[in-house]
Amino acid sequence: ETGVTQSPTHLIKTRGQQVTLRCSSQSGHNTVSWYQQALGQGPQFIFQYYREEENGRGNFPPRFSGLQFPNYSSELNVNALELDDSALYLCASSRGVTSTDTQYFGPGTRLTVL
Amino acid sequence: KQEVTQIPAALSVPEGENLVLNCSFTDSAIYNLQWFRQDPGKGLTSLLLIQSSQREQTSGRLNASLDKSSGRSTLYIAASQPGDSATYLCAAFPTSGTYKYIFGTGTRLKVLA
Repeated sequence: ETGVTQSPTHLIKTRGQQVTLRCSSQSGHNTVSWYQQALGQGPQFIFQYYREEENGRGNFPPRFSGLQFPNYSSELNVNALELDDSALYLCASSRGVTSTDTQYFGPGTRLTVL
Repeated sequence: KQEVTQIPAALSVPEGENLVLNCSFTDSAIYNLQWFRQDPGKGLTSLLLIQSSQREQTSGRLNASLDKSSGRSTLYIAASQPGDSATYLCAAFPTSGTYKYIFGTGTRLKVLA
């Protein structure tokens, strides 16, 4: 049982636009991690939020930004969309940031940039 | 830097066959390794999670093993069925840096009826 939800399910944008993706974490979880999965690839870590603060970031440019809210839900914002941003965006929530805190993945948001 | 590799990239087998999917990782300093299933266009379904102190985990027809010293994990699927057709991803959870999964690129499995 994951309990992690994401919205929207699918999204189509044009190059140069901005997009916001949303993630609701599982009850009792205070950490959200975002991943990008391009077609035919494994998911790549974008960043992680713990108690409303960024707690680590992968190799993604600053136009990828995020927020975490007091209820621990999270947003991923992407500015100046590029064609290569087309991907499945996954969020994962966990109880914390220790080694025993398993990450539970949501169903993902499919973003298409035209 | 942790890297995860999955071989083969694609596999096609007749129904009923037992099969093994391979996953290798370059750094043995991991907290756990997890196997996922992904159907086309869908999210990730967790299959098995093996903690670093464990050697294997089993769920139904699935068995996953972990050998940290050799940097390898295998997912064994017994008596494969057409419904097992999907992409299987393994992911390692390193002990260093931000707690995040490092994924392989997956093995695309097709079980023929």
